[in-house]
Amino acid sequence: DIQMTQSPSSLSASVGDKVTITCRAGQTLSNYLSWYQQKPGTAPKLLIYGAYTLETGVPSRFSGSKSGTDFTLTITSLQPEDFATYYCQQSYGPPWTFGQGTRVEIK
Amino acid sequence: QVQLQESGPGLVKPSGTLSLTCTVSGGSISTNNWWSWVRQSPGKGLEWIGEIYHTGITNYKPSLKSRVTVSVDKSKNQFSLKLDSVTAADTAVYFCAREVRYYGPAFDSWGQGTLVTVSS
Repeated sequence: DIQMTQSPSSLSASVGDKVTITCRAGQTLSNYLSWYQQKPGTAPKLLIYGAYTLETGVPSRFSGSKSGTDFTLTITSLQPEDFATYYCQQSYGPPWTFGQGTRVEIK
Repeated sequence: QVQLQESGPGLVKPSGTLSLTCTVSGGSISTNNWWSWVRQSPGKGLEWIGEIYHTGITNYKPSLKSRVTVSVDKSKNQFSLKLDSVTAADTAVYFCAREVRYYGPAFDSWGQGTLVTVSS
């Protein structure tokens, strides 16, 4: 299985802050990576696929990037509705695997 | 807009079989999409279980493959999960999800999830 390691596991931030979450893959993935947002008691929501492409309807303050085997989710100007847990997921090879999650909390 | 809804027993006895069904509405299951099951143990992360195409082709997570069966019923626009020989470690919220494939699969539509507890 392809191991996905997210960092940090949690962070505290304020409304308006810029937040960066990193996901490191155990091997090269090309651009085969997605990001999800999950709020308590709800299903994950797809934010970004193909490492960079914003899903329809997702605000432009979310963006994805890549450097080697490191992938980054950036949220510019954090909004109250952005406090949630974020997961990365590799789609390079089955079994499809997720990172362990990053919880974004209110400071 | 496609919607997915899981259904099935919320309590399964140890060594028994977990059976869940996902009903797809607002679209046909016989489209160019794969359909997956994903689970989330209490307070933990997400684990992909397996997937099916409407033709019946399946892929499973290797560590679960000996216990998992995913099937499709196109006439009912449903797909199903069976997990045999369950233990407490299989207690989780089970989600069904639709895959879209641009750079491999991304899960763009999800059911609300259903909690299955394994307990006697």
